[in-house]
Amino acid sequence: EAGVTQSPTHLIKTRGQQVTLRCSPISGHTSVYWYQQALGLGLQFLLWYDEGEERNRGNFPPRFSGRQFPNYSSELNVNALELEDSALYLCASSPRLAGGRSQYFGPGTRLTVL
Amino acid sequence: QQQVKQSPQSLIVQKGGISIINCAYENTAFDYFPWYQQFPGKGPALLIAIRPDVSEKKEGRFTISFNKSAKQFSLHIMDSQPGDSATYFCAASSLGGSARQLTFGSGTQLTVLP
Repeated sequence: EAGVTQSPTHLIKTRGQQVTLRCSPISGHTSVYWYQQALGLGLQFLLWYDEGEERNRGNFPPRFSGRQFPNYSSELNVNALELEDSALYLCASSPRLAGGRSQYFGPGTRLTVL
Repeated sequence: QQQVKQSPQSLIVQKGGISIINCAYENTAFDYFPWYQQFPGKGPALLIAIRPDVSEKKEGRFTISFNKSAKQFSLHIMDSQPGDSATYFCAASSLGGSARQLTFGSGTQLTVLP
């Protein structure tokens, strides 16, 4: 069974640009979670999508947004990039309503903002 | 209210020794407590998890101890091996409501010396 996949693996952008990160969940999983892992700061919750709807968001500004498609894959969009957005962005998926149980993570997208 | 505090930040243990990592939480609505292991360049992988209705859970060399009254839980790695060298994150979540995302501790970098 394929795990959670994310693309691209690495990304370099400059301040003010916009970026889109992509995530494909494990087959059969309907929930997708996005986390930011900045250096030395642990994992911070960004967004949770289930069945195409945004269910919850963390303490991040509105320039962080996303969506979930009918096939349950998801995109994370970050507008007006700032230097402090440099981080590893991790996507996790779980079966519907499983919540914290059974969250499986992808390898992440490393974003560098110059 | 949503914080999970983890200590120590780093830990060095000799091969065959016991590694102990501690976490404390504040939100009494948390009812699921997993531990994740992360190797460099990889996403976190679920290691072991516990619900608050039990005080201890053991899987192989890994044991979670849980103290509900103190709102603390810990990971014990028995007979630590160099292959256990990784970053360990404790986490917590609520299995109901809108806060099903994981709230992570800040991580512990474990080094097991050969």
